[in-house]
Amino acid sequence: SQTIHQWPATLVQPVGSPLSLECTVEGTSNPNLYWYRQAAGRGLQLLFYSVGIGQISSEVPQNLSASRPQDRQFILSSKKLLLSDSGFYLCAWRDSQYYGYTFGSGTRLTVV
Amino acid sequence: AQSVTQPDIHITVSEGASLELRCNYSYGATPYLFWYVQSPGQGLQLLLKYFSGDTLVQGIKGFEAEFKRSQSSFNLRKPSVHWSDAAEYFCASTWNTGNQFYFGTGTSLTVIP
Repeated sequence: SQTIHQWPATLVQPVGSPLSLECTVEGTSNPNLYWYRQAAGRGLQLLFYSVGIGQISSEVPQNLSASRPQDRQFILSSKKLLLSDSGFYLCAWRDSQYYGYTFGSGTRLTVV
Repeated sequence: AQSVTQPDIHITVSEGASLELRCNYSYGATPYLFWYVQSPGQGLQLLLKYFSGDTLVQGIKGFEAEFKRSQSSFNLRKPSVHWSDAAEYFCASTWNTGNQFYFGTGTSLTVIP
């Protein structure tokens, strides 16, 4: 069965520090991968998606970037965090047959 | 433009009472519809989905949802709520296999004893 792993679960980082959040998927090949952010009291905002290695699409201009170095690995990064980057980050993959998402357990990022 | 609306930001129900969470979509074509649940500090878990066929779909944890084309709705229901159902609930939809997936803003459910 397919599983999705996301880490770390929580992270507290100072303003201006770098960020790296990692997401890996098991049990599937060539998945569509997504990064969402959920700010406090708000819904889900799509940040990036990837349909293959090295293919990244950005949905909103921001301080973050994404990379897909391997088929089942998706990384969310920042060179210098801002206070506004705080939030709950969710990785997800989408089965082209199933149409829906499977989500990771999320990373709570607090920028201080 | 396509969108998903959850009119209720927050709902409070008593344990054992029935529950209905509303979801409306806007688009002419029949969408694929989903309900997700998010417990505090956790990712989203799929409760149920509708693709086609029977408009009443059963999900996990005793939830069900009914697709009503005439009302552009996909409301989530549970006949008897348990305290463990307290969570955030998201309705979502997509209309194709592409990357346009629309989430509602969520409904927060509080269950009181």
